[in-house]
Amino acid sequence: ETGVTQTPRHLVMGMTNKKSLKCEQHLGHNAMYWYKQSAKKPLELMFVYNFKEQTENNSVPSRFSPECPNSSHLFLHLHTLQPEDSALYLCASSPTSGRYNEQFFGPGTRLTVL
Amino acid sequence: GEDVEQSLFLSVREGDSSVINCTYTDSSSTYLYWYKQEPGAGLQLLTYIFSNMDMKQDQRLTVLLNKKDKHLSLRIADTQTGDSAIYFCAERAPPSYNTDKLIFGTGTRLQVFP
Repeated sequence: ETGVTQTPRHLVMGMTNKKSLKCEQHLGHNAMYWYKQSAKKPLELMFVYNFKEQTENNSVPSRFSPECPNSSHLFLHLHTLQPEDSALYLCASSPTSGRYNEQFFGPGTRLTVL
Repeated sequence: GEDVEQSLFLSVREGDSSVINCTYTDSSSTYLYWYKQEPGAGLQLLTYIFSNMDMKQDQRLTVLLNKKDKHLSLRIADTQTGDSAIYFCAERAPPSYNTDKLIFGTGTRLQVFP
């Protein structure tokens, strides 16, 4: 238990559906991250939020829309996805300052797009 | 450039030592990390090393850093079946606005057999 929870753990959706992934951290951190993990590829950073403000968007297609209403919650809204978007989506959080920037990861949401 | 490379697979016998290697390309990286991902779980920080060190030992784990060759390794002594997981090397990119970006490798899947 890392203090970062993600729901749902598994999601199957069609290309025309709209769904949302949720991440919550109970660590008092101020930075939150979305990563995409695909087989045999490096972990891809998608978005970074710091004090609820988006500070990085790593050229992510607009069919992925993040939302950070407060420092404890992070959402990823999905619409009109493609089959190649099937992957494990990981959320992480970290303090905004820290000697070695440990990022605490949630267990991920396994997304399958049909 | 931003490129962290690892071999994809490593298989070792229980009780032997495992050595997982990583090469990185950003010479300005200040911290380098090893994360472990067990099946169905997120990433867990195992250990880290600051760039002015060349070795760090933590119980069964030994991290070696060759800054000249940009080579990082993780040695696990007396490898156990519970060590079977995917191991990610990561480097800390130069910090941007109040957050720190981590660049991950592809991960090395360690399989331990009896």
